Amino acid sequence: GENVEQHPSTLSVQEGDSAVIKCTYSDSASNYFPWYKQELGKGPQLIIDIRSNVGEKKDQRIAVTLNKTAKHFSLHITETQPEDSAVYFCAASNGAGSYQLTFGKGTKLSVIP
Amino acid sequence: GAVVSQHPSWVICKSGTSVKIECRSLDFQATTMFWYRQFPKQSLMLMATSNEGSKATYEQGVEKDKFLINHASLTLSTLTVTSAHPEDSSFYICSASRDTTDTQYFGPGTRLTVL
Repeated sequence: GENVEQHPSTLSVQEGDSAVIKCTYSDSASNYFPWYKQELGKGPQLIIDIRSNVGEKKDQRIAVTLNKTAKHFSLHITETQPEDSAVYFCAASNGAGSYQLTFGKGTKLSVIP
Repeated sequence: GAVVSQHPSWVICKSGTSVKIECRSLDFQATTMFWYRQFPKQSLMLMATSNEGSKATYEQGVEKDKFLINHASLTLSTLTVTSAHPEDSSFYICSASRDTTDTQYFGPGTRLTVL
């Protein structure tokens, strides 16, 4: 089955700096890669996703890049703000059957004012 | 759009009782709903996948007789934890997918504490 590795597990950045979180996946059939933000005591919130026919996608301060050959994808947050502090999860799906997601273990991002 | 709700948001129950958690897609029809369990500072663990009108598919190691899942309509799925014990205490989260897409939208979660 699919295996998703995520790093770093914790990340501290100064407000205004950029943050990068990286994930690798094992199943070459995976074709959908969402990123979720989870605040303490809440459910995950979809912040951006990318499909395998696209190499990069951007939404304001957030961008995701995908390298299918190397089987890795990354989340980039620019101009970080304290409200970006949360746990971020990457995930992968091969779109087969019921579209199950395999999650990484999460990255706790702390933005220091 | 794509709002998923859960009820209750938290529940405390005595050991041996059953607890039902509801998951609703508020503004879309969800052919597929998923149930996850999350322990503190850990990732999401998929428990089961349910499709409207059919039996749920449980992940390996998840007791289907203990975690009863019903997906009776395109907007509602329920998870019933039967004969709950303290080790069932956890954060339970549902998600829902529209037909024809694999984007999962998550609910806010339900904190279950079994005394």
